[in-house]
Amino acid sequence: SSELTQDPAVSVTLGQTVTITCQGDSLRIYYASWYQQKAGQAPVLVIYGKNKRPSGIPDRFSGSSSGNTASLTITGAQAEDEADYYCHSRDSSGYNYVFGTGTEVTVL
Amino acid sequence: QVHLVQSGTELKKPGASVKISCKASGYTFTSYAIHWVRQAPGQSLEWMGWINAGNGNTKYAQPFQGRVSFTRDASATTAYMELSSLTSEDTAVYFCAKELIVVVGAAFDFWGQGTLVAVSS
Repeated sequence: SSELTQDPAVSVTLGQTVTITCQGDSLRIYYASWYQQKAGQAPVLVIYGKNKRPSGIPDRFSGSSSGNTASLTITGAQAEDEADYYCHSRDSSGYNYVFGTGTEVTVL
Repeated sequence: QVHLVQSGTELKKPGASVKISCKASGYTFTSYAIHWVRQAPGQSLEWMGWINAGNGNTKYAQPFQGRVSFTRDASATTAYMELSSLTSEDTAVYFCAKELIVVVGAAFDFWGQGTLVAVSS
């Protein structure tokens, strides 16, 4: 399968923890990366590989994986974390790339 | 620092073609692939394919094969995406993105600002 499925929306109270999941057969083989996208802006890479953060990404963002599911956790969510989040990986063939359906995160 | 700067908004008629540029700076252009991704209004991201900025080899996503072409000018550190036979379904923001080399996975570490392509009669 070439699909990566995410819950459409989640909400989190300011300062609490939220986990976003991404399901797909190819995730049994490949790590997922995660992007944050705010309205009208380009996506920003927040997690890649085995839980690696690019320079400048706060350590409240972390990633994990189990079976066919990848997860992005925001520990101590801040108002500025309100955005759409997309997972990303390869498909099962390894030759194509695929994005998740996206999760809108609201910080209450 | 790394920057990818794309060309501006395009307004096109159905059946026309569009060519978008992506000027890269701040890294060795020929060492990394450039990917193209589009996002229709209110939709998720859709991967279109990549170009090896070193040798010009390309890989196109199946939905776009035969209608899209990626090229690059290494001397100008610029990549190009041309999409033909446009329909209203092609109305989207188009992004270029630099590939981050990841073992057993995928990631794009820097993105252009996006180019809006609007197709309307």
